Amino acid sequence: NAGVTQTPKFQVLKTGQSMTLQCAQDMNHEYMSWYRQDPGMGLRLIHYSVGAGITDQGEVPNGYNVSRSTTEDFPLRLLSAAPSQTSVYFCASRPGRVYGYTFGSGTRLTVV
Amino acid sequence: GENVEQHPSTLSVQEGDSAVIKCTYSDSASNYFPWYKQELGKGPQLIIDIRSNVGEKKDQRIAVTLNKTAKHFSLHITETQPEDSAVYFCAAPRGGSQGNLIFGKGTKLSVKP
Repeated sequence: NAGVTQTPKFQVLKTGQSMTLQCAQDMNHEYMSWYRQDPGMGLRLIHYSVGAGITDQGEVPNGYNVSRSTTEDFPLRLLSAAPSQTSVYFCASRPGRVYGYTFGSGTRLTVV
Repeated sequence: GENVEQHPSTLSVQEGDSAVIKCTYSDSASNYFPWYKQELGKGPQLIIDIRSNVGEKKDQRIAVTLNKTAKHFSLHITETQPEDSAVYFCAAPRGGSQGNLIFGKGTKLSVKP
């Protein structure tokens, strides 16, 4: 099993550009989430999904969209990048509600 | 709203000593408490978790204790080694969001040889 795979690992965007962060898991997990990690802020939930076709907002959803057309994939779209979105983004998945997450290795995004 | 407080933010110990990290949570309905270790440049990795029907769980040198009445849980690392140096995060379920986790702000543990 590859676990949770995130691409790209690094990305630099200009303000106003859009892009999609890819996330795929091969563990047949129903639950998937996107977190961002900023210094001194811990991990904050952006969006999550409890199964194909079902998504919902987390703590900091503004400026981001998600979709879940398959169990395996959960891409995160930045609609119009802003410097405040400079962060490290982690995708995570888990098999059910009362289980721990498996995290990907992260995408380091810089918006200039 | 729901909150998870984690202390201390930094912890430095000598190799072989014990380390304790404490977290408090606000949602009394929380029933699952994981701990994650994050090494530099990597994603967080689950190291141990506890469910609300037990008070303590051990796995070799690490243990987690839970006090539901006081709404706090702790990570204990015994016989620390330099490779235990990392940032540790506690987490608890966020109410009303299918159990998605709220994370503490992390504890940077340094183990000096």
